[in-house]
Amino acid sequence: DTAVSQTPKYLVTQMGNDKSIKCEQNLGHDTMYWYKQDSKKFLKIMFSYNNKELIINETVPNRFSPKSPDKAHLNLHINSLELGDSAVYFCASSPSSAGLAGAYNEQFFGPGTRLTVL
Amino acid sequence: QKEVEQDPGPLSVPEGAIVSLNCTYSNSAFQYFMWYRQYSRKGPELLMYTYSSGNKEDGRFTAQVDKSSKYISLFIRDSQPSDSATYLCAMTKTSYDKVIFGPGTSLSVIP
Repeated sequence: DTAVSQTPKYLVTQMGNDKSIKCEQNLGHDTMYWYKQDSKKFLKIMFSYNNKELIINETVPNRFSPKSPDKAHLNLHINSLELGDSAVYFCASSPSSAGLAGAYNEQFFGPGTRLTVL
Repeated sequence: QKEVEQDPGPLSVPEGAIVSLNCTYSNSAFQYFMWYRQYSRKGPELLMYTYSSGNKEDGRFTAQVDKSSKYISLFIRDSQPSDSATYLCAMTKTSYDKVIFGPGTSLSVIP
């Protein structure tokens, strides 16, 4: 019955490796996001997709590449992992990229993927 | 200056206390102001949001926005141990713009 799910929950890997994190939402939402939360709990947006199209692309290294095969899935692939990539990565989804004035477009977060790069 | 600032705490209060959590921001274009609660090793969940200035109450929680001072607050009345979590303020210009989060305040409510 999970709304936004991510796999894996934990990921421990060596520097230089390539890894992927998968995200799926069963809420029927149009928009999905990837966030990075560092050790100081700072939650920062990385990417946003609306109906499989990239709409937000923050200043993120090219080693990070999101892929949305359909609007229910948004995966994150990371090449050549570095120590500084260690963080918790959250996927989120929201109903629409545009809403009525005054109505907040609530984002629903997944449980997070804790990535540790050694 | 960071766009959103928040005292990281930690904040420790006895059960039943009134808790005040605050954020300041620099961008006057923000119109939506949210409070998210994040339990340890979980994803954030929306507690409440306010559009533009004013107050909003939901049970034991009250959110206040003062746009003239660029200051928002969350008050928790009759705090409970189950309120122990990190509280993240967040804001955005429009409902479809990117959301900027504060660094969060860690709260512990001691029984």
